[in-house]
Amino acid sequence: GAGVSQSPRYKVAKRGQDVALRCDPISGHVSLFWYQQALGQGPEFLTYFQNEAQLDKSGLPSDRFFAERPEGSVSTLKIQRTQQEDSAVYLCASSLPRQNTEAFFGQGTRLTVV
Amino acid sequence: AQKVTQAQTEISVVEKEDVTLDCVYETRDTTYYLFWYKQPPSGELVFLIRRNSFDEQNEISGRYSWNFQKSTSSFNFTITASQVVDSAVYFCANFGNEKLTFGTGTRLTIIP
Repeated sequence: GAGVSQSPRYKVAKRGQDVALRCDPISGHVSLFWYQQALGQGPEFLTYFQNEAQLDKSGLPSDRFFAERPEGSVSTLKIQRTQQEDSAVYLCASSLPRQNTEAFFGQGTRLTVV
Repeated sequence: AQKVTQAQTEISVVEKEDVTLDCVYETRDTTYYLFWYKQPPSGELVFLIRRNSFDEQNEISGRYSWNFQKSTSSFNFTITASQVVDSAVYFCANFGNEKLTFGTGTRLTIIP
């Protein structure tokens, strides 16, 4: 596709439920990032992949958060046993593997935990 | 560690006025990259500009201009002759350690 695609756009989960968020990056983009954006805040880094390798997961808030990119393309962010504080917009971005290049963002998945 | 401060939480101006959005950054890196992104109500972050730390030349793109000053660690963004379509949240960010660190954003409202 032309841009980064994320699905679903909206997800409502009951507390304690597991959720899976999907990101389809721009074709050929080696680098993939996940960010979490709370209401009224800037995006905060969660994790980074280069191809299928997860090179940095320092931003994942707890061991309930898990991300994978098994074939170096589509990525899934999984949250187990969701809690209310997980409610946020989850943004995915992809880029070419150079520091001076821009990251292209998807529209995000708005997760609401009730 | 990287840090980006956008002190202006919200700004409202009347259409056609000029407006400047402030950004102050902190970094220990000697080489770094600064960005501005626009987030319209649809939620997608739209890339506006990238600046390398070794290039302090100011840049103009249409109604947009950016003033990068290493002496004050600032990377301010000016919109000239604002339009209603400029209404959005604007984020300044610093790229370091393979990740973007964002400020908290400035919500800009252009009043018709």
